Amino acid sequence: AQKVTQAQTEISVVEKEDVTLDCVYETRDTTYYLFWYKQPPSGELVFLIRRNSFDEQNEISGRYSWNFQKSTSSFNFTITASQVVDSAVYFCALSDYTGTASKLTFGTGTRLQVTL
Amino acid sequence: KAGVTQTPRYLIKTRGQQVTLSCSPISGHRSVSWYQQTPGQGLQFLFEYFSETQRNKGNFPGRFSGRQFSNSRSEMNVSTLELGDSALYLCASSLAPSGGEETQYFGPGTRLLVL
Repeated sequence: AQKVTQAQTEISVVEKEDVTLDCVYETRDTTYYLFWYKQPPSGELVFLIRRNSFDEQNEISGRYSWNFQKSTSSFNFTITASQVVDSAVYFCALSDYTGTASKLTFGTGTRLQVTL
Repeated sequence: KAGVTQTPRYLIKTRGQQVTLSCSPISGHRSVSWYQQTPGQGLQFLFEYFSETQRNKGNFPGRFSGRQFSNSRSEMNVSTLELGDSALYLCASSLAPSGGEETQYFGPGTRLLVL
């Protein structure tokens, strides 16, 4: 069975600090996809990134970066120079490759609080 | 391009009633998935529809059902509501059900409160 673990329930940082959100996953599939979503207080899940299991290159998008390490089954997310607008709950999710169905298995989320 | 829309945004029902939630996917998207989010259980997959057919179903009782129309819009129905059904119901759309090759984009959700 697939599983996603986000061990950090809540993180509080001061603006401009860097912060890393951890994600560890379990799957028996060789092909799979990993995602990060952001959920602001409004409730909508905002897509941030998708990565397939064959692409272990790290990715940077502005202040956001992602570190995918297959050897440790981790897909960590770092926010550099955090801002108050980054305050939200962040979810890591895993999708197996069935070819005919889409189902995301989510972690429990990490609530990030950025204060001035 | 408009995003995923869900109606209504908020709903209050009493135990025993039934409720219908609606979801309109992003234009061109043909797959619609539904998720339930509660503080205790987190985000859980309910079901997925594509071409008016249910392709995948999560571990929920038969009181939870859904359907998809020819224009890809989807509805989910919960009958005989229980207090534990109080949750944020999120709809997501993707181009097709491809196990992750296609990104799911989420709507704002319908917040259901059962009294």
